[in-house]
Amino acid sequence: EAQVTQNPRYLITVTGKKLTVTCSQNMNHEYMSWYRQDPGLGLRQIYYSMNVEVTDKGDVPEGYKVSRKEKRNFPLILESPSPNQTSLYFCASSLRTGINEQFFGPGTRLTVL
Amino acid sequence: GQQLNQSPQSMFIQEGEDVSMNCTSSSIFNTWLWYKQDPGEGPVLLIALYKAGELTSNGRLTAQFGTTRKDSFLNISASIPSDVGIYFCAGQLGNFNKFYFGSGTKLNVKP
Repeated sequence: EAQVTQNPRYLITVTGKKLTVTCSQNMNHEYMSWYRQDPGLGLRQIYYSMNVEVTDKGDVPEGYKVSRKEKRNFPLILESPSPNQTSLYFCASSLRTGINEQFFGPGTRLTVL
Repeated sequence: GQQLNQSPQSMFIQEGEDVSMNCTSSSIFNTWLWYKQDPGEGPVLLIALYKAGELTSNGRLTAQFGTTRKDSFLNISASIPSDVGIYFCAGQLGNFNKFYFGSGTKLNVKP
């Protein structure tokens, strides 16, 4: 089944404890992206990747890192999480840049205490 | 970052009624997209619009790319209970790698 998977689905952590949210897609997509969803703000793009080893900042990249060493994986790294990073995170992928149909993962609900 | 103003924030309608929601921006967008998010899931693309004035339908859904390129609307005709969810507009400026989303319209349909 073609899908985008994220792990973990739920995470409660404490301020300053490094964490990684994994994202994987099995559709051989070139483009991948991370978003955070907050009430009243919709989705905001954190980082995106056009292909392996090619990443760039979205609208709200502060406090996040990403890497794209393999085509299928696009992990989101929070080196020192803070409470304002408590949010619902979505990973998405599409065939390539310019193809607008992004397939979204199921989401990761992160709480930073 | 860019702001897309989406309205209304929420709607409570009766099954069978038509629904309209819209999105405006202070910037000119090259692409307008409409997504639906069901509870506990990620958004799913409903309609993509690429040219000013373009009117596109997908079943009971119709969306238009405004002629000023600063707005778009989505209409749902003859609503049914499974239309319940959050609808988001999204757009792209010159960089087709970056997406900007509206704050969403929460639709409730009473059977």
